[in-house]
Amino acid sequence: SQQGEEDPQALSIQEGENATMNCSYKTSINNLQWYRQNSGRGLVHLILIRSNEREKHSGRLRVTLDTSKKSSSLLITASRAADTASYFCATDASNQGGKLIFGQGTELSVKP
Amino acid sequence: GAGVSQSPSNKVTEKGKDVELRCDPISGHTALYWYRQSLGQGLEFLIYFQGNSAPDKSGLPSDRFSAERTGGSVSTLTIQRTQQEDSAVYLCASSHFQWKETQYFGPGTRLLVL
Repeated sequence: SQQGEEDPQALSIQEGENATMNCSYKTSINNLQWYRQNSGRGLVHLILIRSNEREKHSGRLRVTLDTSKKSSSLLITASRAADTASYFCATDASNQGGKLIFGQGTELSVKP
Repeated sequence: GAGVSQSPSNKVTEKGKDVELRCDPISGHTALYWYRQSLGQGLEFLIYFQGNSAPDKSGLPSDRFSAERTGGSVSTLTIQRTQQEDSAVYLCASSHFQWKETQYFGPGTRLLVL
């Protein structure tokens, strides 16, 4: 079963624009992670934010976490055509590095 | 170093046959995870191995599914008497004991049950 929802399901933007994706989850978490997937194959870890953190940056990525609303957002600034992929949030409820519960994903298309 | 590898990349089988999917985790990673991704169900957790502890099998959808991890390294996911609804991409991931929260995924095995 899925932990939560992501929106939008699909997002199409022009190169250079910012892309924002949102994720909501249902249960208490230890951390929330964002992954990227190209062409329906392996996932690549992008960024992890812990439950006691509110915002985190990595390069062009900015992640926020609101545990009171059980939601997170991923912002990709100055998008590039190469950012075209599916993006998934995943929650880890343990503090032992256990199973991840994934959202449904957002399909991002960046047009050159 | 080498990432997580999975074999085969693609597998086509007939309904009722058994299949074995293999995962080679990153060397030194103590935790290994299996997930599957299908159109209807999204990304689902299947099973998780951590060192010598008993595996977390809570995600296995039926008793037709089983997994082993031999010698703390390679893992095999076995699906017996395959059904058409087993068609999916099966993803394996591993993580290091020190940075256990970050999972590294393999390219997956795309299984098609006819």
